[in-house]
Amino acid sequence: ELKVEQNPLFLSMQEGKNYTIYCNYSTTSDRLYWYRQDPGKSLESLFVLLSNGAVKQEGRLMASLDTKARLSTLHITAAVHDLSATYFCAARKGNQFYFGTGTSLTVIP
Amino acid sequence: NAGVTQTPKFQVLKTGQSMTLQCAQDMNHEYMSWYRQDPGMGLRLIHYSVGAGITDQGEVPNGYNVSRSTTEDFPLRLLSAAPSQTSVYFCASSYSPRNTEAFFGQGTRLTVV
Repeated sequence: ELKVEQNPLFLSMQEGKNYTIYCNYSTTSDRLYWYRQDPGKSLESLFVLLSNGAVKQEGRLMASLDTKARLSTLHITAAVHDLSATYFCAARKGNQFYFGTGTSLTVIP
Repeated sequence: NAGVTQTPKFQVLKTGQSMTLQCAQDMNHEYMSWYRQDPGMGLRLIHYSVGAGITDQGEVPNGYNVSRSTTEDFPLRLLSAAPSQTSVYFCASSYSPRNTEAFFGQGTRLTVV
């Protein structure tokens, strides 16, 4: 079984600030996924990271993957209120996906 | 394009009752899966399917059955509902389990009393 840990679990940040969410996983996985979930809503795909060293950016969000360290990061640049949501990472092992517990992000005006 | 459609959105069951959660996708995706989401635990995989006629167990399969008779549909059956199955259930599909993103349904909020 693959364990996925996210840090922090809760994050409150001011608009305009930068911050990073960390996702560690316990065993080999060469695919890492990031999703966003708004309260009471479904999950929306943000990034699929396919290989070691992969970096993807969309707007104020940038995700990276280090398979040797078993670590993925989601960096938030100059946060805005619209980014308030819960962010999940998920790692793949075979045909199964293992999710982290999520990071609840609140951006304060 | 409807994407992934789940029904019902809300359901209340009595302990011991059975029911089926429906999931349908219109994207010709091979891979479909069911998750449950509980507070503080993220999403946990219940069952998955890599194609019509092929299903397998995920992390938390006990108390649930699935079948995949067509590419489009992947119903989840609760055999005898228990309060521990109170949760939000999500169905997801993707073109393949390897390199592509998953598309999630809107979820079913199930309460077992």
